[in-house]
Order: sequence, then C-alpha cells, then structure tokens
Amino acid sequence: DQQVKQNSPSLSVQEGRISILNCDYTNSMFDYFLWYKKYPAEGPTFLISISSIKDKNEDGRFTVFLNKSAKHLSLHIVPSQPGDSAVYFCAAGFSGTYKYIFGTGTRLKVLA
Amino acid sequence: NAGVTQTPKFRVLKTGQSMTLLCAQDMNHEYMYWYRQDPGMGLRLIHYSVGEGTTAKGEVPDGYNVSRLKKQNFLLGLESAAPSQTSVYFCASSARGTGSYEQYFGPGTRLTVT
Repeated sequence: DQQVKQNSPSLSVQEGRISILNCDYTNSMFDYFLWYKKYPAEGPTFLISISSIKDKNEDGRFTVFLNKSAKHLSLHIVPSQPGDSAVYFCAAGFSGTYKYIFGTGTRLKVLA
Repeated sequence: NAGVTQTPKFRVLKTGQSMTLLCAQDMNHEYMYWYRQDPGMGLRLIHYSVGEGTTAKGEVPDGYNVSRLKKQNFLLGLESAAPSQTSVYFCASSARGTGSYEQYFGPGTRLTVT
C-alpha cells in the first residue's frame, strides 16, 4: 500500500507558466516532507522541504504548500523554465528517524 | 568535495552470481542509505545505517546484505542475484543533528540480472 502517492505520472507546462505538482500521503503522523528533482542518469537532488508546523515554504521560484487536514502537499514552480524538465519526487517521513517514504514521481516537461 | 560516489556505474550479472556495490561519501555524514528505483515504484529503501558498525532493514531488504565498517563507506551485497533485482540502485547520506533532513544522493548503479 503506497503511503505516499503522486497520482500524475506526467505533466506538461508552457515556459513561463506555473507548474503544480501534487502529492498525497496516508499517514497523518508524518511530520517532515521533501521534494527532490531527478534528471536522467543522475541521482535525485534536494529541492525544498517543509515541516508539519508550517503550511508554506518558499525558496526562489519554488514553493511547497502543506495541507495537513487533507494530507496533501504541492510544489509550485513559478515561472517554469525548460531546465526544470525532470522527474520530481515527494517524500514524507518522521524527522527524528531520518527515513522517508518516496512517491512514484511526476515527470515534468516544460515546453519552450 | 566529490559528495556521494557509487561504484560501479553499470553491471550485468547472471542469475546466481554475487556482487558488491560500493558507496562512499566525503561529507562526514552519520547516516547512509541504499535505495532501489524501479519503473512506477519510486525509490524504495533497502537498508540504512545510522553510524559506523550499525545497519538496519528498510522496506525491501530481502536478498541484500550491507556493511558499514567505515563511516564513509556503505556496501550493498547481493549474494545470489535474481532477475527481480534488476534495478537502478542509489546510495544516499545525511547529517545528524543539523536541523536539515536532506539526503544527498549518488549518481546510481544500473544493474541488470539475466
């Protein structure tokens, strides 16, 4: 049973527009969430994270929103750039254990 | 700094053969992890280590063994490879007690078992 779900396997967005990637989780006890970006033939790289005590965290063009009641988080990329084309993984877990459950990923394609 | 490195990058094994994947990190991180990535399955944790000399099972540990004899190295062993172990393997590391829970990943090892 997938505890962390990314229900959209792929997403295409025009350059300059907003990209919204979604992630749902089932365990309400998760207290830390991360987003990773992965290019082909490379390892995932950390993008942004959020603690359950917050509902929003921003870093430049990237913003993560957390809705604890809906057990849902989303990653917003504004404006989207062709270099953002990659697979994005969300991950959820317990901060004290340093272990996370990863979603299946969403492939984002930003069209020039 | 090289970060997290993995050896080898590619390997083809026959069913029943054994091999060891090596992960090395130069960031003095306490925690290290081995994941596998399969199509449609995301990243799944195989084994992890919270310090030199300690290891623990993750979500999918069967068929694998690990060792952490030195803080900077984490080895993943396949004693008798099976086609179901065809996958891309990623090693990662993270620091303890910094308030940042980010994991740093290596470039991956693509393993095919025929």
